[in-house]
Amino acid sequence: TQLLEQSPQFLSIQEGENLTVYCNSSSVFSSLQWYRQEPGEGPVLLVTVVTGGEVKKLKRLTFQFGDARKDSSLHITAAQPGDTGLYLCAGEGSYIPTFGRGTSLIVHP
Amino acid sequence: DAGVIQSPRHEVTEMGQEVTLRCKPISGHNSLFWYRQTMMRGLELLIYFNNNVPIDDSGMPEDRFSAKMPNASFSTLKIQPSEPRDSAVYFCASRSDGNSGNTIYFGEGSWLTVV
Repeated sequence: TQLLEQSPQFLSIQEGENLTVYCNSSSVFSSLQWYRQEPGEGPVLLVTVVTGGEVKKLKRLTFQFGDARKDSSLHITAAQPGDTGLYLCAGEGSYIPTFGRGTSLIVHP
Repeated sequence: DAGVIQSPRHEVTEMGQEVTLRCKPISGHNSLFWYRQTMMRGLELLIYFNNNVPIDDSGMPEDRFSAKMPNASFSTLKIQPSEPRDSAVYFCASRSDGNSGNTIYFGEGSWLTVV
């Protein structure tokens, strides 16, 4: 059973466009993390959100944790080819993170 | 500081052979995770160690899989006998302490192909 559903599964856009990807669950998590994975490498942490309703910004990336701590979104403004990668969300309960299947993003120059 | 180190990076083996994947976590980290990643199933947790003790091995597929952590700086994941459906990228990851929300650091993965 996949506890975290990510959408869309695939996204192919042009440089300069904006996009939002989503991470949804029926479970409440104590914290939620977003990772980016590039081909041939392991996932790398982008951000951790802990408080319901929390918004964090990382340059052109904006992360939001839902009020009920069951869902999250990642918004990228003016996407660049360097943003290409697999974006994974991970919810944590009992110290063990569970990952969604990810959104594979391709940004074309 | 060195990150999580995994070996081998790539392995191609014949069905029925034993495969051993190795991991050196970041020094001082006391949580270690083994994950398997495939296109179909994404990133799946196989086993979680805390202070060298297996805490959750519910993700280990079957008896063909075993994992050990003899000390704080080394862990192995063994598959015996290997099958084609075991082909995947196997990631080792470590984390400091057991606190929720601490950063998990992944290795670069071991790409396994069983033919």
